Amino acid sequence: GQNIDQPTEMTATEGAIVQINCTYQTSGFNGLFWYQQHAGEAPTFLSYNVLDGLEEKGRFSSFLSRSKGYSYLLLKELQMKDSASYLCAVIDSNYQLIWGAGTKLIIKP
Amino acid sequence: DGGITQSPKYLFRKEGQNVTLSCEQNLNHDAMYWYRQDPGQGLRLIYYSQIVNDFQKGDIAEGYSVSREKKESFPLTVTSAQKNPTAFYLCATKDRTDTGELFFGEGSRLTVL
Repeated sequence: GQNIDQPTEMTATEGAIVQINCTYQTSGFNGLFWYQQHAGEAPTFLSYNVLDGLEEKGRFSSFLSRSKGYSYLLLKELQMKDSASYLCAVIDSNYQLIWGAGTKLIIKP
Repeated sequence: DGGITQSPKYLFRKEGQNVTLSCEQNLNHDAMYWYRQDPGQGLRLIYYSQIVNDFQKGDIAEGYSVSREKKESFPLTVTSAQKNPTAFYLCATKDRTDTGELFFGEGSRLTVL
């Protein structure tokens, strides 16, 4: 079966750095997304990785290793507004999106 | 403004009643999707449509129905056959490309009393 694993919840301190991991086992791979979702709201796009390596976008970076079936989202200089759930999703060989359950990130002052 | 409009945002229904959730988009995207989100679970695909007058079942289509008579509109009906319909429902669209990002509406929260 297809599976995406993320930690359920993480806690970090304002101003710090946090890394949210995502491992996947899917039938094929055509890219990986990270989305941010605040409670009760729609997910918003953060990043897309299809090749190995690090993609940096402001305070957020996303890393992919296809050989390891692994990605992480790195958030720097954490702000209180970064408190949200972070969803990892993989495009499989049929171009269907497979979603992880999301990681709830709690930022403390 | 371009975007996706879902309505209603909150909806209550009694058991045994059908309810229809609206999703309208003016992004001119071909593909439209309906997802269900429950606490502690990933998004689960209910139905999707890649072109007008055609749609496909997702992983959890039982108890739901859709139509795609216009490119802009993809309504979802939650029927009385859906055993546990209380959830957060998200409509999303995507441009033609297979690996394009999804754009989401603001969601509709359905509560069955």
